[in-house]
Amino acid sequence: GAGVSQSPRYKVAKRGQDVALRCDPISGHVSLFWYQQALGQGPEFLTYFQNEAQLDKSGLPSDRFFAERPEGSVSTLKIQRTQQEDSAVYLCASSAYLGTGFSPLHFGNGTRLTVT
Amino acid sequence: SQQGEEDPQALSIQEGENATMNCSYKTSINNLQWYRQNSGRGLVHLILIRSNEREKHSGRLRVTLDTSKKSSSLLITASRAADTASYFCARSANNLFFGTGTRLTVIP
Repeated sequence: GAGVSQSPRYKVAKRGQDVALRCDPISGHVSLFWYQQALGQGPEFLTYFQNEAQLDKSGLPSDRFFAERPEGSVSTLKIQRTQQEDSAVYLCASSAYLGTGFSPLHFGNGTRLTVT
Repeated sequence: SQQGEEDPQALSIQEGENATMNCSYKTSINNLQWYRQNSGRGLVHLILIRSNEREKHSGRLRVTLDTSKKSSSLLITASRAADTASYFCARSANNLFFGTGTRLTVIP
């Protein structure tokens, strides 16, 4: 399909393990966002790419979180030494970029991470 | 949350009634966007209103924006059971931040 694809859909990790979450954005979309969503809460911004450049990573909760988008398309969010508080749904979204402000985001269905 | 709040947090109405959700934000914006999220799914874009617009319509949706009060509202008219979902506003400037959401339940 032509939508944003995230994998895996579900991930269970033991505390201390490393995980990698993948996002395939819509082809040609310049902007790519990662959000973290706890149960019953709104999406919390993690990081934002424009093409391959990571323009804002101020939302990453700790240095255990790392994101990359080396060729300006697929992106990976990596969490090292997972902790229980990392349990959440991780949402990826992509969009074209307007001259001022962002155009509507297209979201994937998310990866639900459970750390046991 | 990151610079945005919706109220009420939860809203329960009968099918056919109108639903109004409000969004407040703290800093200047280029545009404001509303999204809907069904349980277990990603968010779906509903409507975008630019900072120089005051009102916008799309089908049964009506959005208003008051930049002097830093607030927006989303009105869903003639609600249906299928409108049951969480609704979020997102402030767009040099980033895109979401509010806390309103959980809408439409009772058939």
